[in-house]
Amino acid sequence: QQPVQSPQAVILREGEDAVINCSSSKALYSVHWYRQKHGEAPVFLMILLKGGEQKGHEKISASFNEKKQQSSLYLTASQLSYSGTYFCGTDTIPTTDSWGKLQFGAGTQVVVTP
Amino acid sequence: DGGITQSPKYLFRKEGQNVTLSCEQNLNHDAMYWYRQDPGQGLRLIYYSQIVNDFQKGDIAEGYSVSREKKESFPLTVTSAQKNPTAFYLCASSIRGVTEAFFGQGTRLTVV
Repeated sequence: QQPVQSPQAVILREGEDAVINCSSSKALYSVHWYRQKHGEAPVFLMILLKGGEQKGHEKISASFNEKKQQSSLYLTASQLSYSGTYFCGTDTIPTTDSWGKLQFGAGTQVVVTP
Repeated sequence: DGGITQSPKYLFRKEGQNVTLSCEQNLNHDAMYWYRQDPGQGLRLIYYSQIVNDFQKGDIAEGYSVSREKKESFPLTVTSAQKNPTAFYLCASSIRGVTEAFFGQGTRLTVV
């Protein structure tokens, strides 16, 4: 039931681009993206709600394809500060027994090298 | 300043003992969550609550218990029934699950 993320890890040189994918077996109401540095709490990047929108945060953007129940996070012109583990969180369409069940994928470790 | 506070930051427990992790928020959020994080396994949902006096089991609730008597508080008890409790525990809160989740700084529990 947890969303599935891919790839598990990616190594980039500064300035390179990367895409992280997140997919669910259930219809989604929202997709969240967070970045976590080692030993710290996850930090919110963006949230995409049902409606197929695309959002951006500096050079990090995301898309949400609700028909395919998938979201992708795009890291453009990566910087050293982009290193960390990225998690997608999904909240499925509310039903009587699963409302607000925010679940996370296993994470994608991103390493940006000089 | 508004935020979500977990305490303690580090906790050591002897096998067979119950232990309670504290989570308090002053953001006036309805929804609160508990996650367990093990190396390489992401964030796994233990329990969640959308409203006071109501909570639901997540994906790995066995060996854990929670209460939600006040809107701002969502304590997690790790019972002796939890076979492998050593982990990093994160508490989060949000407005009914459709806004960003704010995370506490986590509690690292070690069973000795």
